[in-house]
Amino acid sequence: GAVVSQHPSWVICKSGTSVKIECRSLDFQATTMFWYRQFPKQSLMLMATSNEGSKATYEQGVEKDKFLINHASLTLSTLTVTSAHPEDSSFYICSVGQGAGDTQYFGPGTRLTVL
Amino acid sequence: KQEVTQIPAALSVPEGENLVLNCSFTDSAIYNLQWFRQDPGKGLTSLLLIQSSQREQTSGRLNASLDKSSGRSTLYIAASQPGDSATYLCAVCRDNDMRFGAGTRLTVKP
Repeated sequence: GAVVSQHPSWVICKSGTSVKIECRSLDFQATTMFWYRQFPKQSLMLMATSNEGSKATYEQGVEKDKFLINHASLTLSTLTVTSAHPEDSSFYICSVGQGAGDTQYFGPGTRLTVL
Repeated sequence: KQEVTQIPAALSVPEGENLVLNCSFTDSAIYNLQWFRQDPGKGLTSLLLIQSSQREQTSGRLNASLDKSSGRSTLYIAASQPGDSATYLCAVCRDNDMRFGAGTRLTVKP
């Protein structure tokens, strides 16, 4: 299967800081990428779906202006948490796929802690 | 290193059957285990979350069990329907790491 990496694996920042999380598909042409987050003791929830070269589709309740997604190439998607606040502290995980009917491969996740 | 295995890789059943999907993991030091459903081209849909202190969770026709000491979880689907056709994934989570199984592709035939 594809190898997916995320960077950083964990980050601690002050409130008001913008944080960028990278998701890289190391050996797979990822036309579709998914971003998820998981709050403590809660289930993993889909935030948005992005297709290479087009705008991301956000799930209901997810602020697109706060969580900026850029899927500029087939191997890289970034999630930027703008003006992060403590309530944004969560575990963020990405997955990659080639679109309809294809298997998804998951990154190891990024733990964000906002002080 | 945590390894998660799901058996079977694929399953085809007639409508109405009860079925069991299996998930095993090698490191029992987990915080929780989750079962997800994945439809083609879609993101994951969370089905059930079992905390490490729990033994099972139920939602509608779904029941998931967790035996942490033996490194096993099962997802039981009662009275299967064609709409249940999807890939089912289990994932085990620790603090900074989540590991997924490869999934079981389920087909329920009308």
